Amino acid sequence: TQLLEQSPQFLSIQEGENLTVYCNSSSVFSSLQWYRQEPGEGPVLLVTVVTGGEVKKLKRLTFQFGDARKDSSLHITAAQPGDTGLYLCAGESGGSNYKLTFGKGTLLTVNP
Amino acid sequence: DTAVSQTPKYLVTQMGNDKSIKCEQNLGHDTMYWYKQDSKKFLKIMFSYNNKELIINETVPNRFSPKSPDKAHLNLHINSLELGDSAVYFCASSQALAGNSYEQYFGPGTRLTVT
Repeated sequence: TQLLEQSPQFLSIQEGENLTVYCNSSSVFSSLQWYRQEPGEGPVLLVTVVTGGEVKKLKRLTFQFGDARKDSSLHITAAQPGDTGLYLCAGESGGSNYKLTFGKGTLLTVNP
Repeated sequence: DTAVSQTPKYLVTQMGNDKSIKCEQNLGHDTMYWYKQDSKKFLKIMFSYNNKELIINETVPNRFSPKSPDKAHLNLHINSLELGDSAVYFCASSQALAGNSYEQYFGPGTRLTVT
């Protein structure tokens, strides 16, 4: 069974601070996705990383896929209250099994 | 333009009852899923259908029965509801991208409360 460990589980910071969320596994993934979920809504895809070492930027968010494709990180610069939410990483093992393995999430609160 | 829709949004029922949750997607995707999110926000896959064919059936009690009348719909029927079934159930859909990446589009969720 493939597992994805996310850390930290909870994070409360002040507006303007930087933060990094980690997603780690002992398994290799063909791709890794990051989602953000706001209260009362479903998760929304932020980015997919596919290549080992890949870095993708989405405004103030920077996503990195580890060289060995076993881990990923999400870095937010100058966090804003609108960044508040549950951040989930999800890995695909490849092939045609259509299955994502989700981490347990990082609940981020950005205080004004 | 709702991409993935679920009904109902909230469902409160008593133990032992049978209930259904409906899901529809207008994205033209071939694959649909049901996930369960518990009180600790852990999102776990339950079922997946590809072109109306069941392809993922995780360790889920057989009181849960998915049905896909066509590739745009995936419904979830639950028999003999138990307290532990209380959770938020999400429907999702995806379409294979290059490299077999299945990016998920989630519905708004159905919060099921069993009393």
